[in-house]
Amino acid sequence: GIQVEQSPPDLILQEGANSTLRCNFSDSVNNLQWFHQNPWGQLINLFYIPSGTKQNGRLSATTVATERYSLLYISSSQTTDSGVYFCAVKKRRGFQKLVFGTGTRLLVSP
Amino acid sequence: ETGVTQSPTHLIKTRGQQVTLRCSSQSGHNTVSWYQQALGQGPQFIFQYYREEENGRGNFPPRFSGLQFPNYSSELNVNALELDDSALYLCASSWADNSPLHFGNGTRLTVT
Repeated sequence: GIQVEQSPPDLILQEGANSTLRCNFSDSVNNLQWFHQNPWGQLINLFYIPSGTKQNGRLSATTVATERYSLLYISSSQTTDSGVYFCAVKKRRGFQKLVFGTGTRLLVSP
Repeated sequence: ETGVTQSPTHLIKTRGQQVTLRCSSQSGHNTVSWYQQALGQGPQFIFQYYREEENGRGNFPPRFSGLQFPNYSSELNVNALELDDSALYLCASSWADNSPLHFGNGTRLTVT
């Protein structure tokens, strides 16, 4: 099946710092989503981004489908950004499940 | 617009018992999928329902079963519970196979 790798696995930031999270995937995809899972377990949609660039406030994401990677940028981080960030993808062609990466655990300290 | 809702939020069961988890899909969504998330891991796909039929299944044994109803709500049933079934169970809905998934807040199941 498709492999999804995220880096770094853990990240500690001071409030106000910027960061880049990376997601590499091993096959062509027609669905790529970034999620934030907060400490209470809620899985929150950040972006649906199978290709191109999107921005939403302090967050932005870029997917280069031809090179099989996606980047999530967090600017001016806040303590509420803490949690686990997951990238998840679906392969092209027919029914495919959403496959999650291993996640990046982010801790933003005041 | 009502999002995906799951019930109950927490549940404690004994090994060998059976459990039913419930999910109401987001308005306008006809596809529901279920995921299991063990502690410290990413969610793992259990199965998906489209128009009341299972149309995809992950690597889970037959004691994991489901239903989708005409209003697109869904149930996940687990028989003969094992300690390793302790996890967060997430339901997600979408309006088409290629559209983004929207997740509920999950049901945290503890098996003792």
